[in-house]
Amino acid sequence: NAGVTQTPKFQVLKTGQSMTLQCAQDMNHNSMYWYRQDPGMGLRLIYYSASEGTTDKGEVPNGYNVSRLNKREFSLRLESAAPSQTSVYFCASRGLNYGYTFGSGTRLTVV
Amino acid sequence: AQKITQTQPGMFVQEKEAVTLDCTYDTSDPSYGLFWYKQPSSGEMIFLIYQGSYDQQNATEGRYSLNFQKARKSANLVISASQLGDSAMYFCAMSVTNFGNEKLTFGTGTRLTIIP
Repeated sequence: NAGVTQTPKFQVLKTGQSMTLQCAQDMNHNSMYWYRQDPGMGLRLIYYSASEGTTDKGEVPNGYNVSRLNKREFSLRLESAAPSQTSVYFCASRGLNYGYTFGSGTRLTVV
Repeated sequence: AQKITQTQPGMFVQEKEAVTLDCTYDTSDPSYGLFWYKQPSSGEMIFLIYQGSYDQQNATEGRYSLNFQKARKSANLVISASQLGDSAMYFCAMSVTNFGNEKLTFGTGTRLTIIP
């Protein structure tokens, strides 16, 4: 099925560990996004990529890095995880029409 | 900067009644898009409805309609004949394009509970 695929779905990290969240879309979309969702705060934009080879900071970029590997893939890296990064992470992509498609999310816990 | 405000943290509605979820927005950009998403307990984000700032008519999608009042900067979601499966978090969001880059900004959401 066409859509946005995120891996892993769940992850527990120890403080200071690093990890990369993977995201891939098969809809030939140009724009891709990473959001985090915390209770009572809605979804907040971490980083986005308007096209292959470009990335820009969103509202809450500190502690994260991203890579737009190619048109399909947009990864989010936590270099040194902190408990404040415990959250649900969503990847999304947007095509030429107005629609945004979201992945199913990654639930990350940092202990 | 863009801002979306949802003032209803939670709502309880009797099954089969209509429900209105409030959303106000703030932007100085004349071109923008307004979205509503549903997030059930399973966690996925489900697109419900879209309204463009230049659209003359209110958007409708089945039981969902968007009451767009541009002068008041409001974009309320109306669900007609509510069903138990409508129980979920609902998010209002706005997209604005700056220098060719489009970003989607979300409100804090409303948790809707449908009572049998």
